[in-house]
Amino acid sequence: DTAVSQTPKYLVTQMGNDKSIKCEQNLGHDTMYWYKQDSKKFLKIMFSYNNKELIINETVPNRFSPKSPDKAHLNLHINSLELGDSAVYFCASSQARPSISNQPQHFGDGTRLSIL
Amino acid sequence: KQEVTQIPAALSVPEGENLVLNCSFTDSAIYNLQWFRQDPGKGLTSLLLIQSSQREQTSGRLNASLDKSSGRSTLYIAASQPGDSATYLCAAPYNFNKFYFGSGTKLNVKP
Repeated sequence: DTAVSQTPKYLVTQMGNDKSIKCEQNLGHDTMYWYKQDSKKFLKIMFSYNNKELIINETVPNRFSPKSPDKAHLNLHINSLELGDSAVYFCASSQARPSISNQPQHFGDGTRLSIL
Repeated sequence: KQEVTQIPAALSVPEGENLVLNCSFTDSAIYNLQWFRQDPGKGLTSLLLIQSSQREQTSGRLNASLDKSSGRSTLYIAASQPGDSATYLCAAPYNFNKFYFGSGTKLNVKP
């Protein structure tokens, strides 16, 4: 069984469209994350939720809106897509925030977003 | 702001060699230091986590060390195998639970 699953795996769309990426974890973890990996493979944190509460919002344009309906799900909605949004987006989870629990993060396989 | 640097960016070795990957960070106030492996088209897989109070962790042929005072961590891979070929990333969770990743070392182990 996949621990952290993201859908879709690939997303090709045109500039200006709105799209969503979904993430689910079946590990019972409290904390979930969204990361963006650019063409140089640099991984940068975007958002983090702990028990459905937003705890990290890392200077991301407000076209990006995360939503956590429950602690097992963290979705990412992107409005008015731009060329620079092309990247691989990774969802991850951990048992708790690293400041209170030394447990590793578990990653999904990523969503490859291409903007035409 | 925390900066995490990995050297070298790429490494190619013959099978059987022992090798060392390096990770440095600018602020020592980290909660822990994590090493991950990323295969092409896949997410990251956690390899080792060293708590801030620890000096090293071992798992099979992998050994990771942590020296907070100098801002360095190393990942030692013994008797490398072609299946070890991947990109290796280190990450340091820090201030307000943010994870800062290095840009990775791409390892190629030749048969």
